[in-house]
Amino acid sequence: AQSVTQLGSHVSVSEGALVLLRCNYSSSVPPYLFWYVQYPNQGLQLLLKYTSAATLVKGINGFEAEFKKSETSFHLTKPSAHMSDAAEYFCAVRRSGNQFYFGTGTSLTVIP
Amino acid sequence: NAGVTQTPKFQVLKTGQSMTLQCAQDMNHEYMSWYRQDPGMGLRLIHYSVGAGITDQGEVPNGYNVSRSTTEDFPLRLLSAAPSQTSVYFCASSPRGAGEAFFGQGTRLTVV
Repeated sequence: AQSVTQLGSHVSVSEGALVLLRCNYSSSVPPYLFWYVQYPNQGLQLLLKYTSAATLVKGINGFEAEFKKSETSFHLTKPSAHMSDAAEYFCAVRRSGNQFYFGTGTSLTVIP
Repeated sequence: NAGVTQTPKFQVLKTGQSMTLQCAQDMNHEYMSWYRQDPGMGLRLIHYSVGAGITDQGEVPNGYNVSRSTTEDFPLRLLSAAPSQTSVYFCASSPRGAGEAFFGQGTRLTVV
């Protein structure tokens, strides 16, 4: 079965520090991978997506992610955290049509 | 541009009551899905549809029914509400291919 695993349900970083949110997927073939962000009491907003083109994907708000097939990973990074980055982040994989599978989420706290 | 619209935003039900959560999209997407979001569990797929007249079960379908009579609408029915169905429900639509899912703003349901 295809799924994603997010390591760390809570991550805290200082403002200006590197943000690293981890995601590993299980799949026998290269999947379509996504990172979404959810602000309190809102729906999910797409940050970036990997669809088998470039392995380094740039998204909105300065985020990027690198697809590493050898490590089955798709970690999300941002060089310098901003207070407005505090939110819940979800990694997701799309397989066989409409089926999206989500990780359990990582809550990011940014410390001033 | 409305995107994916869910109604209502909030609902309180008594155990045993039935209700329908509405979802409509104006992007002419073939695929639509319903998810529930619970703390620490991410988003879990309830039901999905790959086109008008075609629906299928996701990970947690018990207690829910869906139908897809038009491309635009994908209502979710709770047959006999139970406290375990207290959750935040999200509807999403996505185009054919490798595209991302677009989410509604969610319905917060409480069953007492």
